Amino acid sequence: QVHLQESGPGLVKPSETLSLTCSVSGDSMTSSDFYWAWIRQPPGKGLEWIGNVYYRGNTYNSPSLRSRVTISVDTSRNQFSLKLRSVTAADSGLYYCARQTCDGGDCYSRVEYFNLWGQGTLVTVSS
Amino acid sequence: DIQMTQSPSTLSASVGDRVTITCRATQSIDEYLAWYQQKPGKAPKVLIYKASSLESGVPSRFSGSGSGTEFTLTISSLQPDDFATYYCQQYSYSWTFGQGTKVEIK
Repeated sequence: QVHLQESGPGLVKPSETLSLTCSVSGDSMTSSDFYWAWIRQPPGKGLEWIGNVYYRGNTYNSPSLRSRVTISVDTSRNQFSLKLRSVTAADSGLYYCARQTCDGGDCYSRVEYFNLWGQGTLVTVSS
Repeated sequence: DIQMTQSPSTLSASVGDRVTITCRATQSIDEYLAWYQQKPGKAPKVLIYKASSLESGVPSRFSGSGSGTEFTLTISSLQPDDFATYYCQQYSYSWTFGQGTKVEIK
């Protein structure tokens, strides 16, 4: 059974960089035709897609966050990571990692919906 | 960017009620739409993909319909476990979520 687990600091100072890692267990990221994504949820609010990555390193980022986001993959550790620079209080919230399906298992066609999620990790931006 | 708008934002209903939530896209997304259920303190769980396909393990009282710009999620007979917040998500161009619909006890 595949499991996703987020990890990283729960408190980040304003203007610094938020760094999170998602560890994938139960399957190898390189043997599966999925993208791997980050999604966040401010307290009491809705879901916002941040970006995603394929095990070969292909990435997509949200236009609203693109200048501050880097998503990378480490297949040797079966992990992928998020870095969000220059954070403010507006970046506080729950951060989820998720597995994203590909149309027909072909990740060079359409990347689709999120069919498996981590439990989420709460990040607070405060001095 | 494609924006997704759900209605209503909050819905009060009783066990056994038939419940319908609407999701509208600012441009056509064909059938590239998924629905999620989120309970407090939990990660979202996919219910429906490609507008009307039921995810494995999801009860058959959940159904989805629509194409183009207007979509619906229907719960045929609301159960106590169904009180939650529901989100739509398009995957036609990039990936965006609706703002959510909270289904609460009447």
